Amino acid sequence: QQPVQSPQAVILREGEDAVINCSSSKALYSVHWYRQKHGEAPVFLMILLKGGEQKGHEKISASFNEKKQQSSLYLTASQLSYSGTYFCGTEGGGSQGNLIFGKGTKLSVKP
Amino acid sequence: KAGVTQTPRYLIKTRGQQVTLSCSPISGHRSVSWYQQTPGQGLQFLFEYFSETQRNKGNFPGRFSGRQFSNSRSEMNVSTLELGDSALYLCASSRGMKETQYFGPGTRLLVL
Repeated sequence: QQPVQSPQAVILREGEDAVINCSSSKALYSVHWYRQKHGEAPVFLMILLKGGEQKGHEKISASFNEKKQQSSLYLTASQLSYSGTYFCGTEGGGSQGNLIFGKGTKLSVKP
Repeated sequence: KAGVTQTPRYLIKTRGQQVTLSCSPISGHRSVSWYQQTPGQGLQFLFEYFSETQRNKGNFPGRFSGRQFSNSRSEMNVSTLELGDSALYLCASSRGMKETQYFGPGTRLLVL
């Protein structure tokens, strides 16, 4: 039940906006977003919890549609530092604390 | 506050050998999860420990095992290494269930 991310890759110019989507076939308790730069560990960006609570990055926003089991990450006025691969990790209910990650969306921001 | 640390950072082994990887979580974090990352499969969940108990396990063969100690440090072991085990192994720690997971730098394992 790996979540599906779209698009797989996107190229932007500095200052442009992007939306990355994450869709699951399972009921979700939360969605976690991470960014990973080449050769580095994933870095936490945002967590969206069932019920509407959000915690995370100041300059990045996201939405979580519980009914549709979908989340979107909004990157506005992109900067060169936004380049990397973005992963969504989904968490179901119950006593499990692990995340199931999508295959990632590669974002390249050009000057 | 120190982040998640993993040792060793790089490892080269040959087929058939076994390997033990270590993860020290952020102070105060009791949950540790392990993930395998490969270019083809992405980030795949291996197992999760909380207070020395394995709470959940991913779809990996029994050659992959782990444990967690009373100080929350965790180790994972891979026995009878195969070429396909070459990957970046990441551990992530959190305060508990439904909390943000923070990743360590990973251990890059190459099996020859």
